[in-house]
Formats: sequence, C-alpha cells, structure tokens
Amino acid sequence: GAVVSQHPSRVICKSGTSVKIECRSLDFQATTMFWYRQFPKQSLMLMATSNEGSKATYEQGVEKDKFLINHASLTLSTLTVTSAHPEDSSFYICSARLGVTKNTEAFFGQGTRLTVV
Amino acid sequence: AQSVSQHNHHVILSEAASLELGCNYSYGGTVNLFWYVQYPGQHLQLLLKYFSGDPLVKGIKGFEAEFIKSKFSFNLRKPSVQWSDTAEYFCAVIRNSGNTPLVFGKGTRLSVIA
Repeated sequence: GAVVSQHPSRVICKSGTSVKIECRSLDFQATTMFWYRQFPKQSLMLMATSNEGSKATYEQGVEKDKFLINHASLTLSTLTVTSAHPEDSSFYICSARLGVTKNTEAFFGQGTRLTVV
Repeated sequence: AQSVSQHNHHVILSEAASLELGCNYSYGGTVNLFWYVQYPGQHLQLLLKYFSGDPLVKGIKGFEAEFIKSKFSFNLRKPSVQWSDTAEYFCAVIRNSGNTPLVFGKGTRLSVIA
C-alpha cells in the first residue's frame, strides 16, 4: 500500500527555537497533505491542509505564522514550528490521500513527537 | 460542521468478553468511514474501512463494523477481545467529495484485563 514517511520521529528543542518536520509520500504523488496534532490521550485534531504550489489552509484557532507549512513538491510537505514553546509539545502527524476521486483512503506518517524544553 | 462522536471514553473488559464501540457522525451526505487503532507508543493503524456495498465490514484482527445509514452509525465490534487489544480506537469519517481530510472522533480507550 501507499506509504507516507515522516521525519524526524522524535525531536527535543529549546524554547524559542524552530523545528522543521518533513512529510513525504514515498510511492505516490500527493497534491494535498494534511497535518494533525495529537495531545496526550486525546484525538487527532486537524491543523491545516497543505496544498502543493499554493498556500496552506489552516483550521480555526491554528496560528499560520507559528506553524509554517510548505508544500513545494508533489511528494513533500513540511511543517515548521517557529519560536517553539513548551505548550507546543505534542505529537504531530501528517496524512495524504491517494487522490481526489471518491473512495480513497488516507495514509498516515509515523508521527513526530516534539518536546520543547 | 461535520463531526464524529464516540460515546465511550474508556472501556474496560475482561479477556474473551465481547466488544462494541459506538461511533456516530453528523454529515448527511455520502461518506467513507474508518476505524483506526493506536497501540501504546505507536502510530495509527487502519483496522477497517467502509466505502460502499455490504454495510458489514470485516477488518484485521477479528474486528468488524456495521454501517447503519439510517442511524448515521458505524459501530466497531469484536466477539472476543484479547489482552493485546488494549489500545486507543478512533473512528474517522471522510466526506466523499474532493480531497478532504479525515475527521476523527475523540477516541475510546480500551483496556483488556486478564
């Protein structure tokens, strides 16, 4: 099946620094990727929809200047957490669907656990 | 707005007991439905999915789910749980038009005790 790869799987950074998370579709092209955030013992909350070659669409309450998304190619989307603070510590997961047609499932990356100290 | 409701926050069962986890969604159009499992410290794994056809869907590890359109429900079942089924279970829905994201329920934590 289709594979979505996320890197890094874990990162620890100091407060005030920026962290970049990569999401790659390994065997298919993804014009759209989705970024989720999962707090401990909670569900996945959609943060933004990443569109290749255009601006990302952010969900209400998500700061676009803090969570920078770049989708420069059909196989790569990046999420940069800028000026990270301890409250940004969370599990970030990317996802991509196989296409825009009906009945296509989503595939998920392994997730990135971010700890800001 | 589209939403997904999972009624049970935490379910505790003994081994060999039967399992049913509830899931309801609010979107009235055509949807695709999924159940994912997340074992402790691991990423999401797809248990089963419904796109169309037979509303009773069989997935991996002995799980099944039934889509009841009139009730907007997609409940997950397993006749006999095992200790290894201890995990978080998420119901998710995609609106079946365009490249839209999955919307997840809040999840149900299943604890299976020996």
